[in-house]
Amino acid sequence: DAGVTQSPTHLIKTRGQQVTLRCSPKSGHDTVSWYQQALGQGPQFIFQYYEEEERQRGNFPDRFSGHQFPNYSSELNVNALLLGDSALYLCASSLAGSGNTIYFGEGSWLTVV
Amino acid sequence: AQSVSQHNHHVILSEAASLELGCNYSYGGTVNLFWYVQYPGQHLQLLLKYFSGDPLVKGIKGFEAEFIKSKFSFNLRKPSVQWSDTAEYFCAVKSADSWGKLQFGAGTQVVVTP
Repeated sequence: DAGVTQSPTHLIKTRGQQVTLRCSPKSGHDTVSWYQQALGQGPQFIFQYYEEEERQRGNFPDRFSGHQFPNYSSELNVNALLLGDSALYLCASSLAGSGNTIYFGEGSWLTVV
Repeated sequence: AQSVSQHNHHVILSEAASLELGCNYSYGGTVNLFWYVQYPGQHLQLLLKYFSGDPLVKGIKGFEAEFIKSKFSFNLRKPSVQWSDTAEYFCAVKSADSWGKLQFGAGTQVVVTP
């Protein structure tokens, strides 16, 4: 068990709707990153949060936004959902710094219809 | 542009066969390299990582990988696979001064037949 907890595990949304996904990092970790994994592809980096601020961002539109709370947990929000947003969304946690192992949760499967 | 390329999308082999999965990257500067495995229905797990030092890295479950800087490669090997090694394997790279922005390859689905 990696200790990174995500919810919900599966959800179905309609085009144009908004979705919020949640992540609790591994105990003791303070940095949370989000990835999108489309079917048959490797995970793609969305953004990273540390100290409640977005620290790095990948090549995703502003429809993708996030938040980190004082307890280090995090949310990923996606607005105006498109069919192409259907994917597995992965949360990863680590300790701040460049030399630390990154642990992944089991992900949230989002289907947009 | 930075990229990670995994040579095979699907590999099928018999138990006790040897496994080698290729990974090449295009990345400026010093990098950290990783192999992750995703067993059916489970989360991504770290198999091994290379940060510096001995380019031959040993990981969990009998896996090892060799970093060849001149070839921009980080190939994964296991001398004798088991049925339980059936999984998807991902190579990932990050800049050495980056905290958590991993760039993944597309993955290789490995099926081990009894």
